[in-house]
Order: sequence, then structure tokens, then C-alpha cells
Amino acid sequence: GDSVTQTEGLVTLTEGLPVMLNCTYQSTYSPFLFWYVQHLNEAPKLLLKSFTDNKRPEHQGFHATLHKSSSSFHLQKSSAQLSDSALYYCALSVNTGNYKYVFGAGTRLKVIA
Amino acid sequence: EAAVTQSPRNKVAVTGGKVTLSCNQTNNHNNMYWYRQDTGHGLRLIHYSYGAGSTEKGDIPDGYKASRPSQENFSLILELATPSQTSVYFCASGDRVEQYFGPGTRLTVL
Repeated sequence: GDSVTQTEGLVTLTEGLPVMLNCTYQSTYSPFLFWYVQHLNEAPKLLLKSFTDNKRPEHQGFHATLHKSSSSFHLQKSSAQLSDSALYYCALSVNTGNYKYVFGAGTRLKVIA
Repeated sequence: EAAVTQSPRNKVAVTGGKVTLSCNQTNNHNNMYWYRQDTGHGLRLIHYSYGAGSTEKGDIPDGYKASRPSQENFSLILELATPSQTSVYFCASGDRVEQYFGPGTRLTVL
């Protein structure tokens, strides 16, 4: 079946250091990949989505590259900010007639001064 | 701007009671979803719908029913609430590209 794996439950970083959150997936289809961000006491919202035209999606300093050979869509940022502290979900969408959506378990990013 | 609203925002229920959580979307999306979120478990899919009149079981449907009477509305029903159903519940509507989440309902079952 279709699945998304986020291996880190919690990542703690010092402000200014680079961010990398891991995401790998399994699917028998060619999925779209997404990153959602959820700040404390808020709803999840879309941060990034993959495209099929080899463009690297970027938003708010975050970027991610879809690597089909390794089934990965890791989230990166060159320099962490305190405001980046949040819960990050990797997700995929596949067309099975209707669009099926699958979320990973989430990674909590904590940025400290 | 996409809009998904949920009611109530907070609910305290008694064990064995019936609870209905409501969701409304103005995005005209065919797909709607109910998730629960617990610390350590992330978002878990309870029920979803591909359009008015349809409901499908998600990954953790036991103890929950769903109803999709119209394109705009999708309800989650707990016929006999239990303390283990204490959680934050999110509704979402979506297309193939993105899911839009409501603000969440915090449910406490005593």
C-alpha cells in the first residue's frame, strides 16, 4: 500500500543551523508529495508541494526535492529560526480514481536560541 | 480564500453519550476528511467522503460514524463516547493538490 515514513519524532536545533527533516515514501503510483506545517494550537497548512516539472518548490525559506530513485522528499532550510518551531507532516497524494491522501506521523521541530 | 469551519470548537461529553461534530466547507471540494490528532500519533484518518451521500472508512473507524448529507457538510458521530476518544479532531476538504483544514474541535470525554 501507500505509506509515508518520517523517522524523527523530535528534532532540536540551535537557531541559525541548517534544518533537514526526513521523508520517504512507498507507493505503487507516481504520487504528489507535500509538506504541511502546524504551529501550536493551529490547524495544519500546506508548506510545500512537489511538481512534475523538476522545479524545486520553495516557501518561507524551506525547500524540498523529490527524488524518485530513493523515494524521498526531505525538507530543508539553510538557517533555522525560532519561529520555525512547529510540527511538520510529510504527505502524499495518489490518483486511485479518487485522490487518496496519506500523512506521515509528523516530526516536531524545536528551535532554541 | 478556502474556508473550512467546525463546530463546536470545544466539547465536554460524558461516557456513553452521543456526540456529533460538524464540519462545513465553502471550497466546493468533493473530498472531505475527518482526522484525530493525539500526541505521538500525528494525524490519523477516521472517515472520508468523495461526495454527497458517500462515506468511507479510514484507518481508525471503530467507534465512529460519518455522514455527508451535502457537498458542504460532513459530520462525525460518536454514538457511545468513551474516554479513549478524548482528542483533537480536524476536518479537512481537499482536491488532488491540497487539503484545507478546519480549526479543530477539542473533545473531552469524562
